[in-house]
Amino acid sequence: RKEVEQDPGPFNVPEGATVAFNCTYSNSASQSFFWYRQDCRKEPKLLMSVYSSGNEDGRFTAQLNRASQYISLLIRDSKLSDSATYLCVGGDDKIIFGKGTRLHILP
Amino acid sequence: NAGVTQTPKFQVLKTGQSMTLQCAQDMNHNSMYWYRQDPGMGLRLIYYSASEGTTDKGEVPNGYNVSRLNKREFSLRLESAAPSQTSVYFCASRTGGAYNEQFFGPGTRLTVL
Repeated sequence: RKEVEQDPGPFNVPEGATVAFNCTYSNSASQSFFWYRQDCRKEPKLLMSVYSSGNEDGRFTAQLNRASQYISLLIRDSKLSDSATYLCVGGDDKIIFGKGTRLHILP
Repeated sequence: NAGVTQTPKFQVLKTGQSMTLQCAQDMNHNSMYWYRQDPGMGLRLIYYSASEGTTDKGEVPNGYNVSRLNKREFSLRLESAAPSQTSVYFCASRTGGAYNEQFFGPGTRLTVL
């Protein structure tokens, strides 16, 4: 079983909609969690770190549920430019990526 | 400040050939990583170095070796390339500790014929 699991999608949602991704992790000792964004054939770039209390950055909200070992990402008022692959990441020294969830925002 | 640099950007090898992928960072980061990405597979960790002088296996270490040459440089070696190693290879670095993000290089696109 992969240490970080996420639904590969694709998610096809209309512009303006709200979309949510979940991701589960198996290492309960992991302290650091992140959401990265990856555009086609480019390197991943940090979208958000995920804090225990949850955090928000504009239209993006990340939550961590340690009891159930999952993290989530909510995107509100989605834009065409949000189309990308979203990667769930966890670990400490050993940083493991999920397979990524592809998101297509439809005009 | 160049961030994380990788060389080469593209490479074509024949089965059985060897090569070394180079990675360097100028952010004084302690930890460095090598990942491979195949279509539909996300990034898979090959090896990482939590600090200068240490290296550890990741999820898919077979067929690879690494060297943490100094704090700045972390190289990945394929001793005898196989077609299954055709992939995009990303190097990353981070300060270490909780909540500190990784910074990625632009990737090396490797094809093994």
